[in-house]
Amino acid sequence: GAGVSQSPSNKVTEKGKDVELRCDPISGHTALYWYRQSLGQGLEFLIYFQGNSAPDKSGLPSDRFSAERTGGSVSTLTIQRTQQEDSAVYLCASSSMVGNYGYTFGSGTRLTVV
Amino acid sequence: LAKTTQPISMDSYEGQEVNITCSHNNIATNDYITWYQQFPSQGPRFIIQGYKTKVTNEVASLFIPADRKSSTLSLPRVSLSDTAVYYCLVGRDSNYQLIWGAGTKLIIKP
Repeated sequence: GAGVSQSPSNKVTEKGKDVELRCDPISGHTALYWYRQSLGQGLEFLIYFQGNSAPDKSGLPSDRFSAERTGGSVSTLTIQRTQQEDSAVYLCASSSMVGNYGYTFGSGTRLTVV
Repeated sequence: LAKTTQPISMDSYEGQEVNITCSHNNIATNDYITWYQQFPSQGPRFIIQGYKTKVTNEVASLFIPADRKSSTLSLPRVSLSDTAVYYCLVGRDSNYQLIWGAGTKLIIKP
């Protein structure tokens, strides 16, 4: 597509429920990144994909968080047993190569855990 | 990882030139300096990147002194639509685990 698409744009969930966030990167972009942004803060790195593999998962805050990428394209970030501290905007970005600062970000998914 | 320091907020008026300075005293030899812009409810957008001296594109200029311990993003003739948060990042081009600070909230007034 023309840009990075994320869905849903907003998600309200009850504490303890599982949620799935989707990212559809720019076609042909091999690198994909997930970040989290709390209100008024900068971005916090979560996970990086190169193709379908995730060589760096070091930013995932707990084992409740997982992510996968299929076909070198769409990625899904799953949060199990959501907690209130998981509330944030989850941003996805893609680039044509690792570390290319020309990252293109999606508009994010605003997750609210109540 | 190099940490950056930016003003929390700045105000200016339409038509003015705005300069936002970022301090990065422990920048490493291989580090680049990159600026992003973020509007509410959107992801950050790449503005400009530089290594030393001056870089200019259709959106902004980036001034980097010889010691590279600071950098200045210059926005010429700002408009209301330039109201956004601006982030300064420092790191190797291959490093995606950069430290994102809170950025500089720029408010442009009519």
